[in-house]
Amino acid sequence: QLVESGGGLVKPGGSLRLSCVASGFHFNSAYMNWVRQVPGKGLEWVGRVKSNADGGAVDYAAPVKGRFTISRDDSKNTLFLDMNSLKPEDTAVYYCATALSTTVVWGQGTMVSVSS
Amino acid sequence: QSALTQPASVSGSPGQSITISCTGTSSDIGGYNYVSWYQQHPGKAPRVMVYDVSNRPSGVSNRFSGSKSGNTASLTISGLQAEDEADYYCCSYTRSSTYVFGTGTKVTVL
Repeated sequence: QLVESGGGLVKPGGSLRLSCVASGFHFNSAYMNWVRQVPGKGLEWVGRVKSNADGGAVDYAAPVKGRFTISRDDSKNTLFLDMNSLKPEDTAVYYCATALSTTVVWGQGTMVSVSS
Repeated sequence: QSALTQPASVSGSPGQSITISCTGTSSDIGGYNYVSWYQQHPGKAPRVMVYDVSNRPSGVSNRFSGSKSGNTASLTISGLQAEDEADYYCCSYTRSSTYVFGTGTKVTVL
């Protein structure tokens, strides 16, 4: 199970930190993703962090590279998304997701609104 | 990375079969067997229906099947049911070590 939190209303140029708490699987060996969806629009992959055992590398989608940072705390089974220099076009529902051996698990999402 | 191309809408009558296509390039769909398909009902989180091109997670009906040929992946829904009415998205790993989703397809059960 994945549970996101931290969403809310923020002004353009502001910052926000999202969290995703995992349970029911071996978090420390999982590659974790963030995916977002503008209301009424399609899904957009944001980024992924590999497991620390596999080097912990992070990859980002072009629109967020340099502004967003993905990190993980395996001791707390928690994934983070630090978002800086937020723009109105970052307004979306943010989901965390992970591919396990035989399925893909998604959280319920948390809404981020960027508006003055 | 451009979104994978899906038809905007597909419809069918109950009991019929429909196929949703997802077209990419040799840098994504054509280069890897990491294509997944997601079903999303309004206001809900996506649900995986197929992963790694053609594998079905436990609990997903065998009416859903996935395949790939060259740069195009497909999701077939057989024996269409009212509950299958939803948005469907494909997703592929890419050569850039990123992922890309499809543009999404609205399935309507007539």
